[in-house]
Amino acid sequence: LAKTTQPISMDSYEGQEVNITCSHNNIATNDYITWYQQFPSQGPRFIIQGYKTKVTNEVASLFIPADRKSSTLSLPRVSLSDTAVYYCLVGEGNAGKSTFGDGTTLTVKP
Amino acid sequence: EAGVAQSPRYKIIEKRQSVAFWCNPISGHATLYWYQQILGQGPKLLIQFQNNGVVDDSQLPKDRFSAERLKGVDSTLKIQPAKLEDSAVYLCASSLGTGTAIYNSPLHFGNGTRLTVT
Repeated sequence: LAKTTQPISMDSYEGQEVNITCSHNNIATNDYITWYQQFPSQGPRFIIQGYKTKVTNEVASLFIPADRKSSTLSLPRVSLSDTAVYYCLVGEGNAGKSTFGDGTTLTVKP
Repeated sequence: EAGVAQSPRYKIIEKRQSVAFWCNPISGHATLYWYQQILGQGPKLLIQFQNNGVVDDSQLPKDRFSAERLKGVDSTLKIQPAKLEDSAVYLCASSLGTGTAIYNSPLHFGNGTRLTVT
């Protein structure tokens, strides 16, 4: 099963770039990597998804090395409103299952 | 596009009572999920439907939890009888994904129902 490992917490300051790395050593060939953001009292919200190399959208970038055993979510110029829990999710291929870890709590300070 | 709707938003019950949660997924989404999220932890999948059929309920405590998705749209999750350890947020999510690539389609979550069992 494709388990993921992320840092429990990270601190940053407004305006900085934040990189959160997720380890997924058992990723299957057909699996995509998806990142979610969760604020208190809300459900997780989709941020970005990728399969290999680099994906960029209006809020984040996702870097995936060639071996795909890890991925890095990059948030450019964070603000206080980016304080949240970030989850990395990897599809478990033919099992059709995917497991949330406990996420990374990002705290952005002024 | 309307999001995933869940009700009620909060529920407080005593142990051994029963409770039901309702979810209306995004229109056209074939796959629906119920997750349990205990404070400080990531969401844990309870049950997954594709249309009105169950894809995975391996982590659903079937002695007390039940779920149904009639007509492949709305879904209800029931707990009877509730235990103290069932206190959690119950999240419903939906996605377009089907088949073996089911988790390669992004999940869209509702804001959940916070259950407190006293």
